[in-house]
Amino acid sequence: AQSVTQLGSHVSVSEGALVLLRCNYSSSVPPYLFWYVQYPNQGLQLLLKYTTGATLVKGINGFEAEFKKSETSFHLTKPSAHMSDAAEYFCAVSSDTGRRALTFGSGTRLQVQP
Amino acid sequence: GAVVSQHPSRVICKSGTSVKIECRSLDFQATTMFWYRQFPKQSLMLMATSNEGSKATYEQGVEKDKFLINHASLTLSTLTVTSAHPEDSSFYICSARVGQGAARGAGGSTEAFFGQGTRLTVV
Repeated sequence: AQSVTQLGSHVSVSEGALVLLRCNYSSSVPPYLFWYVQYPNQGLQLLLKYTTGATLVKGINGFEAEFKKSETSFHLTKPSAHMSDAAEYFCAVSSDTGRRALTFGSGTRLQVQP
Repeated sequence: GAVVSQHPSRVICKSGTSVKIECRSLDFQATTMFWYRQFPKQSLMLMATSNEGSKATYEQGVEKDKFLINHASLTLSTLTVTSAHPEDSSFYICSARVGQGAARGAGGSTEAFFGQGTRLTVV
């Protein structure tokens, strides 16, 4: 079984400040990890994903995440927040075994203050 | 990237009626699609896995007679909420993964593409 824990349901930062959204996962097999963003009343858009290889993954809109196996973490960061980053962010896990649907974390709402 | 189109984006229906939601993969074939339900300010909960040409696989606690899924072609899956009640009001989202292999397993690294979602309100 797999699970994802996102610490902090709400994160508020000032425009230009560092964004850090936390994600920890549990998986008995090598995981594939994803970060998605959701704007109000819309579907999800992929920010980035980790499959194999380099543990630091760069995504769209300046976001990046680092896979740390020893910490079972995949935290999402962005050096400088922009107002347009305000949205809901979901971390998800998958693998090559078991069901193919993604397992999502509970989500983190990012607010960006001017 | 691949495009998944979901229709309608919003629907309001009367209690006791049925509502059909369509999910189409526009530029790829999806042998498997996934239906999620999202309550306000909560995460996505998998309802069922839709398999082309066969019965859907429902998650525990999801009533298959309530949420009818049909995957008649490689590009279309439909979710019908039958005899809808106010507690069925929610945001429903479908997704598909490119590079479909078996419904279970292989392809876990592939990206999932999501429809725009359907906001269902039952009054």
